[in-house]
Amino acid sequence: AQKVTQTQTSISVVEKTTVTMDCVYETRDSSYFLFWYKQTASGEIVFLIRQDSYKKENATVGHYSLNFQKPKSSIGLIITATQIEDSAVYFCAMREGNYAQGLTFGLGTRVSVFP
Amino acid sequence: EAAVTQSPRNKVAVTGGKVTLSCNQTNNHNNMYWYRQDTGHGLRLIHYSYGAGSTEKGDIPDGYKASRPSQENFSLILELATPSQTSVYFCASGENRGNSDYTFGSGTRLLVI
Repeated sequence: AQKVTQTQTSISVVEKTTVTMDCVYETRDSSYFLFWYKQTASGEIVFLIRQDSYKKENATVGHYSLNFQKPKSSIGLIITATQIEDSAVYFCAMREGNYAQGLTFGLGTRVSVFP
Repeated sequence: EAAVTQSPRNKVAVTGGKVTLSCNQTNNHNNMYWYRQDTGHGLRLIHYSYGAGSTEKGDIPDGYKASRPSQENFSLILELATPSQTSVYFCASGENRGNSDYTFGSGTRLLVI
């Protein structure tokens, strides 16, 4: 069963507007960590932002912010004032339990930003 | 600048041959990971390591071995390559704590013919 699900395959937005993408996850752990990564057209994968499950405040970094809804097991990514360079594939990921174990990734959402 | 470097960037291998993908990190991270990325499957964990001399199986380890001879280096080995192992492989490093993010390498594109 998919532990991290991104239901939106692709989203198109106009530059300077806001884009929101969804991610739901499954875990039995009381403590877990949620991440968002960006994969550019060149294939590079970079870390964007993280939410710790025990924190109630939504994380914000630059023009990226999260909408963490713990009762719904949901962690949405919001990008405000989008730029052409935000065109990429965005991956949601989760780490639970054993710290040495790897992240579990969703399938990604492709965002296209148009002028 | 701390980084994760993968080699080679591209590789063509013949079915049944041995392939070694290499990864070097200068982040001084304890943990290293190998993922493969395929359309429709996203990033899937093959093997990981939490220090020199250790390797652990991830979610899809069949057909792959891993080697971690030092803190800096982590290799993925395909003893008998098959066309189904054609993929893009990513190495990553991270610290041994739950909130640690990864630093990814640039990926290795492997074609097995």
